[in-house]
Amino acid sequence: AQSVTQLDSHVSVSEGTPVLLRCNYSSSYSPSLFWYVQHPNKGLQLLLKYTSAATLVKGINGFEAEFKKSETSFHLTKPSAHMSDAAEYFCVVSVEAGANNLFFGTGTRLTVIP
Amino acid sequence: SAVISQKPSRDICQRGTSLTIQCQVDSQVTMMFWYRQQPGQSLTLIATANQGSEATYESGFVIDKFPISRPNLTFSTLTVSNMSPEDSSIYLCSVGQMLAPSYEQYFGPGTRLTVT
Repeated sequence: AQSVTQLDSHVSVSEGTPVLLRCNYSSSYSPSLFWYVQHPNKGLQLLLKYTSAATLVKGINGFEAEFKKSETSFHLTKPSAHMSDAAEYFCVVSVEAGANNLFFGTGTRLTVIP
Repeated sequence: SAVISQKPSRDICQRGTSLTIQCQVDSQVTMMFWYRQQPGQSLTLIATANQGSEATYESGFVIDKFPISRPNLTFSTLTVSNMSPEDSSIYLCSVGQMLAPSYEQYFGPGTRLTVT
């Protein structure tokens, strides 16, 4: 069975400080892992993905995530938060290439304080 | 990545009526999906829209309530039938593309439905 747990439903950071959004997964197979961002009243945008290549994955807008198999984690980080980063972030796992079985986490709402 | 549009972007409907949501993609894609995002919740897959055949529904979703059409490789519709306030959600269309070495899904902007 596969599942995704986002440990924080809400994270609040000050502008210019680091961002950490936590994600743990459970999978019987080698997973592909994704982070999506959803800005208010907008669709989902793919931030980055892990597909069994490099464990440190760089995405758009300065975000990156590190796949740690021993910890079954795929935390999203950014060195310095911008106001425009305020959004909902979803950690997603897929266990079969070419399949539609994406499993979404419950989401983490990021607030950036000026 | 594919560019996906949805119509309408939002609607307010009365209970008992039906709404058809359209999804248009700027390129031919094999896999198209429909998701529901209830208020404050994550995404739940409703069904896979198969071109030329019936959609494949996930547990808890049935064709009578959510009929889906997929007449070609760039277009699909989702109908929410006999609506109740519990159907108030964002409905999102997505497409799957194999971009080696992995498979990715891209999402439309969503349709925000409010049922009164």
